[in-house]
Amino acid sequence: EDQVTQSPEALRLQEGESSSLNCSYTVSGLRGLFWYRQDPGKGPEFLFTLYSAGEEKEKERLKATLTKKESFLHITAPKPEDSATYLCAVASGGQNFVFGPGTRLSVLP
Amino acid sequence: DAGVIQSPRHEVTEMGQEVTLRCKPISGHDYLFWYRQTMMRGLELLIYFNNNVPIDDSGMPEDRFSAKMPNASFSTLKIQPSEPRDSAVYFCASNKTPEQFFGPGTRLTVL
Repeated sequence: EDQVTQSPEALRLQEGESSSLNCSYTVSGLRGLFWYRQDPGKGPEFLFTLYSAGEEKEKERLKATLTKKESFLHITAPKPEDSATYLCAVASGGQNFVFGPGTRLSVLP
Repeated sequence: DAGVIQSPRHEVTEMGQEVTLRCKPISGHDYLFWYRQTMMRGLELLIYFNNNVPIDDSGMPEDRFSAKMPNASFSTLKIQPSEPRDSAVYFCASNKTPEQFFGPGTRLTVL
């Protein structure tokens, strides 16, 4: 059975203080690993897809990386508007997406 | 495009009542997904459709839950009868490529 865990559960940063979020996964045949951002009261918003170990994707202050067992979402010099819950998901066969519990990020001004 | 549209946005009902949630996917997307999100269990996939055909409903918790997709632009998730433990936010999502696009969700409260 596919499983996804995320750490930490919650993270509080000062504005400008860089850090990383972790997503560890167990899957039989990774078809893709996905990062989403979710703001309170809204649906998840797609950020990145990673397909193979060694792949990296960047978008503004965010960079996602992938190894064979985990993915990291690096946040460089975060701003208060980066505060949200970040969700990681994996897809193996078909379109069965398994989501992790998320990391709740707070960036203080 | 307006994105994935869900209705109602909020639903409050009493135990035993029938609840119907509605979803309009993004035009041209051939996959549609129903998810449930709770604090305890996170985001769980309930069922997904491909070209209006249900492919995997193994996440549907009980026979009280049913989903239909009569055409490419409309899907429903029905709970009958509803129970307090069904209280959650229900999301609909659609995609063509692997990246899913989520609707704003329906917050269901069953008293």
